Amino acid sequence: GAGVSQTPSNKVTEKGKYVELRCDPISGHTALYWYRQSLGQGPEFLIYFQGTGAADDSGLPNDRFFAVRPEGSVSTLKIQRTERGDSAVYLCASSRSGGGETQYFGPGTRLLVL
Amino acid sequence: RKEVEQDPGPFNVPEGATVAFNCTYSNSASQSFFWYRQDCRKEPKLLMSVYSSGNEDGRFTAQLNRASQYISLLIRDSKLSDSATYLCAVEAGGTSYGKLTFGQGTILTVHP
Repeated sequence: GAGVSQTPSNKVTEKGKYVELRCDPISGHTALYWYRQSLGQGPEFLIYFQGTGAADDSGLPNDRFFAVRPEGSVSTLKIQRTERGDSAVYLCASSRSGGGETQYFGPGTRLLVL
Repeated sequence: RKEVEQDPGPFNVPEGATVAFNCTYSNSASQSFFWYRQDCRKEPKLLMSVYSSGNEDGRFTAQLNRASQYISLLIRDSKLSDSATYLCAVEAGGTSYGKLTFGQGTILTVHP
């Protein structure tokens, strides 16, 4: 079946601009996660949705970052007033029902802030 | 101290070699443990979950030592196709349930 998909695959923007990154989880998966991966590092947790609600948003670095999942399926990660330090690969993952289960990752969105 | 630490390597081994990676974690309440494989410019893919009793999948063996708070991955008879970055991931319980904390990854290169 179809895996996790993310769009766009690449995004180049200028400092100060607003960006939206989209994630389509595996059909039927209720849990959705966002991670950020910088070069040479492992993925860093940002936020975890269970259904429509954010079960854990402790990894969001500051209030410029926000994520939604209004219908419990597709999620959008929104970054306001982008900074050069936001450049990274943003990975989305989903799992069938939540903690303790395998998380399946999408291909990521490579964000470059100039 | 980082929550999850790995030796970043790189490990350069010949085909057929046996190689082992360790990963230490600081949160004694951690409940679930995983090894992921990540190819260059690709997403992480689950290699193995790690159970208390240890588990084996073909040439790969994973073990968990709760007392010393580390997990290990052993690769026997290395193949060229094993070249990748290996990430360990730990999931704590309680309010952190669902959140994976990753190590920085260990780079493995298998050469002819």
